[in-house]
Amino acid sequence: DTGVSQDPRHKITKRGQNVTFRCDPISEHNRLYWYRQTLGQGPEFLTYFQNEAQLEKSRLLSDRFSAERPKGSFSTLEIQRTEQGDSAMYLCASSLGGQGALTFFGQGTRLTVV
Amino acid sequence: GNSVTQMEGPVTLSEEAFLTINCTYTATGYPSLFWYVQYPGEGLQLLLKATKADDKGSNKGFEATYRKETTSFHLEKGSVQVSDSAVYFCAPSSNDYKLSFGAGTTVTVRA
Repeated sequence: DTGVSQDPRHKITKRGQNVTFRCDPISEHNRLYWYRQTLGQGPEFLTYFQNEAQLEKSRLLSDRFSAERPKGSFSTLEIQRTEQGDSAMYLCASSLGGQGALTFFGQGTRLTVV
Repeated sequence: GNSVTQMEGPVTLSEEAFLTINCTYTATGYPSLFWYVQYPGEGLQLLLKATKADDKGSNKGFEATYRKETTSFHLEKGSVQVSDSAVYFCAPSSNDYKLSFGAGTTVTVRA
């Protein structure tokens, strides 16, 4: 399977705990994105990497959130001191560069903070 | 930044009915335009795209035309099936990378 892969698919955590999600993009894609989707809403952009460089971060990404893509391949998204408001689906996506490049999404990691 | 206004749902149709989902956008520059679909229990899938004015994207019987003068990208299908029941998202792409999604339109097709 050469699609975007995310792990875990589901995560339940207690408020105040740290969580880390992993994303493996399509292998030849140099761009990787994280989005967040809450129930009944469309995905919201969080951050974007081109290769290993993090080029943009949304204001939605508070200082409790950090994302890395150390070797320009897989990426991790860590949330520290989770809050109930962090409960959402976290989507990873990847693409090649260029106008009209197709962006492919993973199945997402559903986070529930209790 | 970009913004998207999508037709509010939910939309309920009978099989073989005509479907239109309106989408208008505001964007800087000349965005590429996409429709994504999310079937129940599944991830987001790209449905179709258009990259310049008057381009028509099409896939699985769905079509949408890039209308620069009205900043619209309405999705249409002539004869829907039960399997088309899903949430549909319109999304312009600014600077060739970041997608801005609308709230989505839930479509239910009844047999």
